[in-house]
Amino acid sequence: DAGVTQSPTHLIKTRGQQVTLRCSPISGHKSVSWYQQVLGQGPQFIFQYYEKEERGRGNFPDRFSARQFPNYSSELNVNALLLGDSALYLCASSFTGDGYTFGSGTRLTVV
Amino acid sequence: AQRVTQPEKLLSVFKGAPVELKCNYSYSGSPELFWYVQYSRQRLQLLLRHISRESIKGFTADLNKGETSFHLKKPFAQEEDSAMYYCALRNTDKLIFGTGTRLQVFP
Repeated sequence: DAGVTQSPTHLIKTRGQQVTLRCSPISGHKSVSWYQQVLGQGPQFIFQYYEKEERGRGNFPDRFSARQFPNYSSELNVNALLLGDSALYLCASSFTGDGYTFGSGTRLTVV
Repeated sequence: AQRVTQPEKLLSVFKGAPVELKCNYSYSGSPELFWYVQYSRQRLQLLLRHISRESIKGFTADLNKGETSFHLKKPFAQEEDSAMYYCALRNTDKLIFGTGTRLQVFP
């Protein structure tokens, strides 16, 4: 089992651009969550999806959106990038909502 | 508001010394608490959760509802314990993390 895989691993974007981050959960896991980790802080919850439905949303602006596909993989989209969006974006999957397993993350740098 | 507080950014000890990483939480209801660890250049991984009451890599953590704490303890630190440690609280389907404590174990 490859675990939770995220792509790309690193990304550099310009202010105002849009970005799409991808996540493949562990096989059989139907729940995917996204977190943002700014340097020096703990991860902050952005979204949770279960069976393709949004189950939770953190305190992030509407520029952030996500979706989950029939194979349970997920994408996180961020529009109109700001410098402050520079962070490590983590994806986590779980089977029943317990025991989240995290991916290695996508390091996004906005210049 | 639900919140997790880790008061120490950095904890430095010598090998063989006892370790206690502090975690306090604010939550109405029955909390579900976790400790996650991130070793250098590795992904965030679950260390232990309070409901399992198990010891992983010699670490234990006891939930104290009176003091709203979930401190992580190990009687004898090892150099390989050096890592970033995050305490987290589960609120419905999301985890609320503290800011983390970096543990440095010197030889």
